[in-house]
Amino acid sequence: QKEVEQNSGPLSVPEGAIASLNCTYSDRGSQSFFWYRQYSGKSPELIMFIYSNGDKEDGRFTAQLNKASQYVSLLIRDSQPSDSATYLCAVNILSGSEKLVFGKGTKLTVNP
Amino acid sequence: GAGVSQTPSNKVTEKGKYVELRCDPISGHTALYWYRQSLGQGPEFLIYFQGTGAADDSGLPNDRFFAVRPEGSVSTLKIQRTERGDSAVYLCASSKSGELFFGEGSRLTVL
Repeated sequence: QKEVEQNSGPLSVPEGAIASLNCTYSDRGSQSFFWYRQYSGKSPELIMFIYSNGDKEDGRFTAQLNKASQYVSLLIRDSQPSDSATYLCAVNILSGSEKLVFGKGTKLTVNP
Repeated sequence: GAGVSQTPSNKVTEKGKYVELRCDPISGHTALYWYRQSLGQGPEFLIYFQGTGAADDSGLPNDRFFAVRPEGSVSTLKIQRTERGDSAVYLCASSKSGELFFGEGSRLTVL
């Protein structure tokens, strides 16, 4: 089992809809969870992080964490064409270091 | 500087050659990471520095890969006897409190 798994998509939603991106992780002791957005040909940029169970909202973005299910998700409300990108889930795997392990990413397309 | 700076942005080399990729992190960030990203994949962890020392080099694929950070700031990733499979974007990131900030990457192409 891979340490961090994401559905690679592509995920296509109409403009204004809610986009839901999901991620599961294998290390039950993981403490920190991050969502990065990566536009084509660009480097990843941090959009959200979450450490505690529950929801964390920031503008149109909501991160949800369920440690019991080893599941973290990202909801994008009122999706815009500019949200079209690959979304990477990253988890701090407790292996004695501070390394982040990334999933393969989910490609999101928001159609006007 | 304001962000993580990586040079060169593009490097084309021939199989068997030696390459160096440089990363200048955000000022004050003690942690520095190297990742490698192939097309359609997420970033793959290579090595992580805390200060001058390599805290975790478990992602380096083999002994052709080596990285240094002698003064706790700038880091250099060194690849010996390059192979075509080394072609990828090499990403550097720095961190102060667990959140990684990436540079624009160095695209390596091995012919």
